[in-house]
Amino acid sequence: NAGVMQNPRHLVRRRGQEARLRCSPMKGHSHVYWYRQLPEEGLKFMVYLQKENIIDESGMPKERFSAEFPKEGPSILRIQQVVRGDSAAYFCASSSVTSGEQYFGPGTRLTVT
Amino acid sequence: AQKVTQAQTEISVVEKEDVTLDCVYETRDTTYYLFWYKQPPSGELVFLIRRNSFDEQNEISGRYSWNFQKSTSSFNFTITASQVVDSAVYFCALSEASNSGYALNFGKGTSLLVTP
Repeated sequence: NAGVMQNPRHLVRRRGQEARLRCSPMKGHSHVYWYRQLPEEGLKFMVYLQKENIIDESGMPKERFSAEFPKEGPSILRIQQVVRGDSAAYFCASSSVTSGEQYFGPGTRLTVT
Repeated sequence: AQKVTQAQTEISVVEKEDVTLDCVYETRDTTYYLFWYKQPPSGELVFLIRRNSFDEQNEISGRYSWNFQKSTSSFNFTITASQVVDSAVYFCALSEASNSGYALNFGKGTSLLVTP
């Protein structure tokens, strides 16, 4: 049973470019969460999605960030016009039920130059 | 307000010593879940344990044990006979019914270094 998959593992973008981070949940999991780990701030919740629905995006920055979890395919976290402050590790987690264990992917390390 | 406090930023022990990582949480919910995750130097997050608020029984898994005490809002983690491979950052996390989707609220982590 494959775990949570994220790609790419490392992503380098220049300021102003777009970053697309992908997350494929564990088989049978329909709940996806995105978290961001900034160097001095620890792990912070960004958004919670179920298939075709954004349930809670209270942790997402108001601008430039968006997320989706389509009926088919992986969940996507999109960052438009990246800035240096977006450099961080972005983790995706999935669970089978709302209050269940959340299993994390290996993360995508975004570097903005 | 910080919901999960891990007061120990860094701990250094010598191999075979026992070490306890502290976690204090804050919630008004009666239903909540507590977690511990390990983040080794390679960077991934490894699930260690999930405990619900109605189950105060302590848990032991090999060299790992957890002490959940609602009276003091603590969920401490003990590693017995530590090994070099235990070196990692350990995160305690809380998820609550009042947090949509039971999203995890993490502490800032405790960095554990085990030296030979």
